[in-house]
Amino acid sequence: SYVLIQPPSVSVAPGQTATITCGGNNIGSKSVHWYQQRPGRAPVLVISDDDERASGIPERFSGSNSANTATLTISEAEGGDEAEYFCQVWNSDSPHPGVFGPGTWVTVL
Amino acid sequence: EVQLVESGGGLVKPGGSLRISCGASGFTFRTYTMHWVRQAPGKGLEWVSSLSHTSTYIYYSDSVRGRFTISRDNTNNSLFLQMNSLRAEDTALYYCARGAYSMELWGTGTMVTVSS
Repeated sequence: SYVLIQPPSVSVAPGQTATITCGGNNIGSKSVHWYQQRPGRAPVLVISDDDERASGIPERFSGSNSANTATLTISEAEGGDEAEYFCQVWNSDSPHPGVFGPGTWVTVL
Repeated sequence: EVQLVESGGGLVKPGGSLRISCGASGFTFRTYTMHWVRQAPGKGLEWVSSLSHTSTYIYYSDSVRGRFTISRDNTNNSLFLQMNSLRAEDTALYYCARGAYSMELWGTGTMVTVSS
């Protein structure tokens, strides 16, 4: 089955840039989606199809995808960005196509 | 208001069954692929099952295939997950979500606890 790899945690100072990676075999050939989940809340779609911001998501959030790594970038980080971030792909070649990464906790300190 | 509301969770013994539901409102439910995603306490998101808008395409994770059945009622804007032969490791918050390949709308979840 297809496996996604994320760092467990990332720290960023307020106003600086956080970079969250999502690794997978030839992930650049797939569409990657990113979700933000604050504690006790349901996930929220942040980025779809590698780099499309979801409705209501600030321009500070951006995505890219190439080769074996997809990246979610949070510019000018704010305290409200502190959350878990999950990448996800739909692996169409598989009988069980839904795949989530393990998640990355972003700390803004 | 566009929303998804899950219901039907609860405490069930190992080996037991439970059917959870997801009610949709504020959008044309019958045109969307729907998903179930679960999250064990303190853990990450786990994709469980997906169903296309006409129920033509159905997918399950290896961990639930043969035990869980996803279905939908497009007349009543509802999604279901019939869960049989439940195990302790099925204990989780179960979310329904809307979308084709990404999940752009989520419910708040219903908790399923499998314990004796």
